[in-house]
Amino acid sequence: KAGVTQTPRYLIKTRGQQVTLSCSPISGHRSVSWYQQTPGQGLQFLFEYFSETQRNKGNFPGRFSGRQFSNSRSEMNVSTLELGDSALYLCASSLAARIGSPLHFGNGTRLTVT
Amino acid sequence: QKEVEQDPGPLSVPEGAIVSLNCTYSNSAFQYFMWYRQYSRKGPELLMYTYSSGNKEDGRFTAQVDKSSKYISLFIRDSQPSDSATYLCSLNRDDKIIFGKGTRLHILP
Repeated sequence: KAGVTQTPRYLIKTRGQQVTLSCSPISGHRSVSWYQQTPGQGLQFLFEYFSETQRNKGNFPGRFSGRQFSNSRSEMNVSTLELGDSALYLCASSLAARIGSPLHFGNGTRLTVT
Repeated sequence: QKEVEQDPGPLSVPEGAIVSLNCTYSNSAFQYFMWYRQYSRKGPELLMYTYSSGNKEDGRFTAQVDKSSKYISLFIRDSQPSDSATYLCSLNRDDKIIFGKGTRLHILP
């Protein structure tokens, strides 16, 4: 069974631009969540979707948004990029409907904002 | 007070040693406890998952939870160079998930 796939693996953007990251969950997984990982703050929860509905959201500004499609694939969008948005963005999928279930992570998208 | 604290390391131990990794947390509402391993340039992978106080063993790995002390541990027996990675603790409740910042572990051959 294929794992969680994230594209692209690397992105370089300039301040003020916007970016869209993509995530394909493990087949059969309906929960998809997104995380930002930085050396200073560690792994921080962005938001979680289940059956196309956002169920939970972390403490990030509205510039960070996401959506989930009917096939469970998800996208994350960051608008008006800032230097501090440089990070590894990880997507995870989960089989169970309950928030807090074990997560299966992709290998992330490394975003660099210059 | 931070919700979860984890020593960032690095922790260097010789091959074959027993490794102890720990996290402390402040909110007793957390119900589910997990340990993830993250290799360089990879996403985290789930190692252990538990929701009750006590020990859970899986091969060379043992997860220990002490809810009264708000303390969780991961023990690695007979450590191998392939165990060199960053280990993240994760605490969940119904509406929230948080991660420790991770402990970098080096197993010296």
